[in-house]
Amino acid sequence: DTGVSQDPRHKITKRGQNVTFRCDPISEHNRLYWYRQTLGQGPEFLTYFQNEAQLEKSRLLSDRFSAERPKGSFSTLEIQRTEQGDSAMYLCASSLEVVVTGELFFGEGSRLTVL
Amino acid sequence: AQKVTQAQTEISVVEKEDVTLDCVYETRDTTYYLFWYKQPPSGELVFLIRRNSFDEQNEISGRYSWNFQKSTSSFNFTITASQVVDSAVYFCALSENTDKLIFGTGTRLQVFP
Repeated sequence: DTGVSQDPRHKITKRGQNVTFRCDPISEHNRLYWYRQTLGQGPEFLTYFQNEAQLEKSRLLSDRFSAERPKGSFSTLEIQRTEQGDSAMYLCASSLEVVVTGELFFGEGSRLTVL
Repeated sequence: AQKVTQAQTEISVVEKEDVTLDCVYETRDTTYYLFWYKQPPSGELVFLIRRNSFDEQNEISGRYSWNFQKSTSSFNFTITASQVVDSAVYFCALSENTDKLIFGTGTRLQVFP
């Protein structure tokens, strides 16, 4: 069994370009989360899915951000018209649905640098 | 409002020393959960412990122990006889009965041989 995998691990782009990150959760996990982590800070919640349904979105997720999980398996996070402030590590995590677990299994992240 | 404060930005110790990482939280809910995660240099956050607000018993797991005190809104983490492999950033987090975690800013622990 592999853990949560994210692709690409690193992405350098120019301001104004679009980027897309992919996350493959642990296969039996039905919940999938996206967090963002900037240097020296803790992860900040962006959004989460239960199966294919997007159940919650943070105010941090501006109109330029869109996340999908079309078949309830892998997920994509797209950022349109990137800005330098989007530079961060984008973390994906997955978990099994129970009332509350908090035991999220994280991937190694996708680091975005916007020039 | 929910908030987690980890006042110690960085701690350095020599191997075999004991070290305590502090965590103070704010919440208005009576039902909540507290967590500690470890982020080694590889970057992958690793779950260490979960505590619910109704269980104030301290917990020990090997060299790790956690002290939960509702009276002071603290959930401190102690590593006994630290080892070089303990070097990482440690995050405390809070959840108000959902899977959305509010993380603190982390404490970077460096253990020197």
